[in-house]
Amino acid sequence: GAGVSQSPRYKVAKRGQDVALRCDPISGHVSLFWYQQALGQGPEFLTYFQNEAQLDKSGLPSDRFFAERPEGSVSTLKIQRTQQEDSAVYLCASSLRGAQADTQYFGPGTRLTVL
Amino acid sequence: QQPVQSPQAVILREGEDAVINCSSSKALYSVHWYRQKHGEAPVFLMILLKGGEQKGHEKISASFNEKKQQSSLYLTASQLSYSGTYFCGTEASGTYKYIFGTGTRLKVLA
Repeated sequence: GAGVSQSPRYKVAKRGQDVALRCDPISGHVSLFWYQQALGQGPEFLTYFQNEAQLDKSGLPSDRFFAERPEGSVSTLKIQRTQQEDSAVYLCASSLRGAQADTQYFGPGTRLTVL
Repeated sequence: QQPVQSPQAVILREGEDAVINCSSSKALYSVHWYRQKHGEAPVFLMILLKGGEQKGHEKISASFNEKKQQSSLYLTASQLSYSGTYFCGTEASGTYKYIFGTGTRLKVLA
């Protein structure tokens, strides 16, 4: 595809439900990032993949958050037993190489609302 | 630690210039600048690398002072389309963690 895509675009979950958010990066991009953006705030780093390897997960807020990229392309962010404070926009970004200084291309985000 | 941006918000008339600053307490390898419009994803504007390299984008340019751990974004002859929230983004050396600054809301009026 031409850009990074994410699905679903909107997700409403009842507190305690599990959710799975999908990211399709630009084809051939080595690096993939997940961010959480609360209303009125900047994106906050969650985790980073280089191909299928999760090299940094220091931003995941709790062990309820889990991310994977098993074949080095599509990635899934899973949140178990959702809570109201998980409500946010979840952004995925990819970059061509594994270099620190590489440009990140963002997807449109998934807006998660936990009731 | 999150880079601090200043000002927090700015209102301009079309054609006016603006400067947005980004300051970090940690050593920087590179600085990126992004613009995010309401309800949309951040869009890359430019990247600055250690060594003071500057890369411009039309009427938007930026500088990077690695000694002071600061970067500035210069918006010249602003257009209505420049409205949005601007974020600097940084990676500290030796880490994959990517951190966005506190953000600057910019509004350009006709």
